[in-house]
Amino acid sequence: EPEVTQTPSHQVTQMGQEVILRCVPISNHLYFYWYRQILGQKVEFLVSFYNNEISEKSEIFDDQFSVERPDGSNFTLKIRSTKLEDSAMYFCASREGGRGSGNTIYFGEGSWLTVV
Amino acid sequence: SQQGEEDPQALSIQEGENATMNCSYKTSINNLQWYRQNSGRGLVHLILIRSNEREKHSGRLRVTLDTSKKSSSLLITASRAADTASYFCATVYSSASKIIFGSGTRLSIRP
Repeated sequence: EPEVTQTPSHQVTQMGQEVILRCVPISNHLYFYWYRQILGQKVEFLVSFYNNEISEKSEIFDDQFSVERPDGSNFTLKIRSTKLEDSAMYFCASREGGRGSGNTIYFGEGSWLTVV
Repeated sequence: SQQGEEDPQALSIQEGENATMNCSYKTSINNLQWYRQNSGRGLVHLILIRSNEREKHSGRLRVTLDTSKKSSSLLITASRAADTASYFCATVYSSASKIIFGSGTRLSIRP
């Protein structure tokens, strides 16, 4: 079954460093998302991406964050200068688009980011 | 707040019993989806129910949706130890550009 894949599975970084989290969405999907989950807390929406541009972003997604689809398969989340409070599990997700089953959003296994 | 909120926050039942989790939301939705998350793992999609549907089944899962009450329930029948996980409802609004997760129900199945 097709799946969303994310790398790295776990990254430890120094505060202030830049981090890039990578995702390969399901191949025929058109909508892409990043979510995060701080340990023990709810899953929070960061950003949605469609047609090579951001569709919607949350208050969390400030100027420190950016997303990019550098080629036909990858979808990346960059955090420019990490802070301790950026430590979380980051989930990438994608959906096909359209009606019916196209609304189902599939998530990757997540990338654990620890900022020290 | 638009997000769905689940109750109970935690549920512990005996293996073989049925587990029911509820979700409430605040504004009109396009569809509602239920996900499972094992500790430290990703979100696994369980079932999607559209706003014009009232009930849906998938294996041991039964989901209902009451749009007049803005609520949904997830029933897991004949629970197994492997069902131990957190369960989240996620609501999709008309713009459909994102889904919003509730806080989740932590389900524990006692052997």
